[in-house]
Amino acid sequence: QLQLQESGPGLVKPSKTLALTCTVSGGSISSSGNYWGWIRQPPGKGLEWIATISSSGGTYYNPSLKSRVTISIDTSQNQFSLKLSSVTAADTAVYYCAKNTGGYIFDYWGQGTLVTVSS
Amino acid sequence: DIQMTQSPSSLSASVGDGVTITCRATQTITTYLNWYQQKPGKAPNLLIYAASSLQSGVPSRFSGSGSGTDFTLTISSLQPEDFATYYCQQSSTTPPTFGQGTKVEIK
Repeated sequence: QLQLQESGPGLVKPSKTLALTCTVSGGSISSSGNYWGWIRQPPGKGLEWIATISSSGGTYYNPSLKSRVTISIDTSQNQFSLKLSSVTAADTAVYYCAKNTGGYIFDYWGQGTLVTVSS
Repeated sequence: DIQMTQSPSSLSASVGDGVTITCRATQTITTYLNWYQQKPGKAPNLLIYAASSLQSGVPSRFSGSGSGTDFTLTISSLQPEDFATYYCQQSSTTPPTFGQGTKVEIK
């Protein structure tokens, strides 16, 4: 059974960079055709897609966040990562990592990690 | 971006009731429409993909229909574990976008 687990700081200061890692177990992150993404959910609000990366390193970004986001993959560690720069309180959210299948169908999710932006 | 609008935003129903949730896209997405269930404090769970295909392990009381811009999620007979928030999501174009959610509460 594929499992995903987010990790990273739960508190980030304004203007700094948020950095999260998703560790995949129960399967290979580099399997052909697999895509991996990040989605966030502000407290009490809806879901927003942030970015997706393919197993070969191709990247796709939400235009609304593209200037601040970097997604990367480390096949040797079976991990992929998210960096979001110049954060503000508006970036406070639960951040989920997820496997994408068939193009933006999110069929496996991590449990989510709450990141609070505050001084 | 394609905007997804769900209705209603919330509903109250009893165990055993049939429930229908509607999702509308601002432009045609053919059948690139997915439905998720989210319980408090948990990650969303994929129920339906490609408008009407049931994800493996999801009970058959869940069904989806529609194409173009208008879609529905139907729960044929609500069970206690179905009280949750449901989201539609289009996977037709980048960026993929979600509806605002429909909260199904116990009457």
